[in-house]
Amino acid sequence: SQQGEEDPQALSIQEGENATMNCSYKTSINNLQWYRQNSGRGLVHLILIRSNEREKHSGRLRVTLDTSKKSSSLLITASRAADTASYFCATYGSGNTGKLIFGQGTTLQVKP
Amino acid sequence: NAGVTQTPKFQVLKTGQSMTLQCAQDMNHNSMYWYRQDPGMGLRLIYYSASEGTTDKGEVPNGYNVSRLNKREFSLRLESAAPSQTSVYFCASSFLGANYEQYFGPGTRLTVT
Repeated sequence: SQQGEEDPQALSIQEGENATMNCSYKTSINNLQWYRQNSGRGLVHLILIRSNEREKHSGRLRVTLDTSKKSSSLLITASRAADTASYFCATYGSGNTGKLIFGQGTTLQVKP
Repeated sequence: NAGVTQTPKFQVLKTGQSMTLQCAQDMNHNSMYWYRQDPGMGLRLIYYSASEGTTDKGEVPNGYNVSRLNKREFSLRLESAAPSQTSVYFCASSFLGANYEQYFGPGTRLTVT
């Protein structure tokens, strides 16, 4: 069974708006990662946040992690049409399992 | 650097046929992974190899076998393809350890009729 559940499943916004995606997970983690997938392509790593971190930034991306609620959010500010893609969270378990467990993803459409 | 490469890009098989999906990476990564992606299901781990010489089952290993040929190459074999194995298959690699991201190949789109 998959670890992460993402919300919403689909999101449609106008260019310039902010997009927020949420991820919940079930077990304790070492870190949580976010990936982007453009249509027909492989996944590309965006950002990694460790379990002892609460917030992390990378360019227009802001990720938060609340381990007490077992949840994370990805905020994309000032969205662009090029941000149209699917976004996946993935968790690395605290038992050093050697593997990531992916959520089902959020499909983001940014309209020009 | 080419990163992670996969062959073939597309494949159509008849039920019962066999095939091997090839994956190679040139980033000197220790760990390699095979996933399948189905609509609305995200990515599910089939098998992984934490380091050369080891392989372990993931979430959905039934119907598949893997070979870690050397540090660079990790192949996935379908011995007797079934329509339920119609999917997009992704190979990925990473350094060994918790705080490393995975790098993905472009995928193989497999249809079993």
